Amino acid sequence: QLQLQESGPGLVKPSETLSLTCTVSGGSISNSDHYWGWVRQPPGKGLECIASINYSGTTYNSPSLKSRVTISVDTSKNQFSLNLSSVTAADTAVYYCARWVSRGNWKAFDMWGQGTVVTVS
Amino acid sequence: EIVLTQSPGTLSLSPGERATLSCRASQSGRGSYLAWYQQKLGQAPRLLIYDTSSRATGIPDRFSGSGSGTDFTLTISRLEPEDFAVYYCQLYDNSPAVTFGGGTTVEIK
Repeated sequence: QLQLQESGPGLVKPSETLSLTCTVSGGSISNSDHYWGWVRQPPGKGLECIASINYSGTTYNSPSLKSRVTISVDTSKNQFSLNLSSVTAADTAVYYCARWVSRGNWKAFDMWGQGTVVTVS
Repeated sequence: EIVLTQSPGTLSLSPGERATLSCRASQSGRGSYLAWYQQKLGQAPRLLIYDTSSRATGIPDRFSGSGSGTDFTLTISRLEPEDFAVYYCQLYDNSPAVTFGGGTTVEIK
């Protein structure tokens, strides 16, 4: 069964870069029907899609975060990563990695990691 | 940028009752695809519905989605104790853009 697991520092200083990696197990990241994305959730708030990428490197970026986001994929390790630069306290959130299905009319995140808490302080 | 507005913010119901959740888009997107997620406290979201009305794998048939254009609805026909949670709608349009609504909390009355 496919699993996603986030990893990275739980504490980042203001103005520094937040770096997270998602490791995909139980399936290949190299599937043309899938993108691999990051979604965050500030404490007590709703969900925000940050960015996504497919195995060939095609990306989608949230317009509001685009200038600070870099997303990359390493198919040899079955991993994808997020860098968010110049962080502030407003970037404190639970960060989820998730699989985006892009097949016909199916456009949604169908598998999620457990989430990792990142605090900017 | 399309904005999704979910209503009501909180729905107080009893087990066995019917829940109707609304999601309204600020505009109709080019090729819009609407999904619904359930999130319980401390857990990741779970996909319930995609393409407005298609149930994801393993989702009970008491969950149904409907709508078109800018108005979408998630209906839970008879609430089970495990259904009390927060529900989010999410829209993908071909610009491309992925947008989540602010969520509706379904709580036990």
